[in-house]
Amino acid sequence: DTAVSQTPKYLVTQMGNDKSIKCEQNLGHDTMYWYKQDSKKFLKIMFSYNNKELIINETVPNRFSPKSPDKAHLNLHINSLELGDSAVYFCASSQHTIGAVDTQYFGPGTRLTVL
Amino acid sequence: DQQVKQNSPSLSVQEGRISILNCDYTNSMFDYFLWYKKYPAEGPTFLISISSIKDKNEDGRFTVFLNKSAKHLSLHIVPSQPGDSAVYFCAASAQGGSEKLVFGKGTKLTVNP
Repeated sequence: DTAVSQTPKYLVTQMGNDKSIKCEQNLGHDTMYWYKQDSKKFLKIMFSYNNKELIINETVPNRFSPKSPDKAHLNLHINSLELGDSAVYFCASSQHTIGAVDTQYFGPGTRLTVL
Repeated sequence: DQQVKQNSPSLSVQEGRISILNCDYTNSMFDYFLWYKKYPAEGPTFLISISSIKDKNEDGRFTVFLNKSAKHLSLHIVPSQPGDSAVYFCAASAQGGSEKLVFGKGTKLTVNP
């Protein structure tokens, strides 16, 4: 059973297109995240949702819009794709324990290539 | 602005020997540190963590050491095994309950049989 799954695994698209990446977790966690790993290999947080509510929004262009239909799903929609959006996008989830840093469980990643 | 630095992009060790991976941080507000391991084409998986109230945490072959005054932590793997070959990410969090993790660039460990 895959704990955190992402689709698609690979995504190749043209500049200017709109695309979505889906994420689902079956761990019963309250919090979900999107991370971006760019060509320099840095893994940086983009968004975090707790129980469908946005709690972390790092300085990400508003072309990126996360959507959480329920606490088990967090999708990432990207409008007007640019070359610089090419990266590996990781979804993650964790419990939400006040006053503690909960272990985050990552999905396998989606490699986005913008041509 | 790299708040978490892993200055060695790669490390190669012989099977059975000790692997030492290093991590430095600049933000004195960080109070919780984690190591993640990543195989190719997979997401990072949690390995071990340490709170700033401790200076050592051990889990089987893996030990993490924290030197708060030097803002430095290290991961020791002993004995190293070929299956340990992966990229290791150091991550840090501030203020205990924050979900925001700041990651380093990773160190690629190769354990040679």
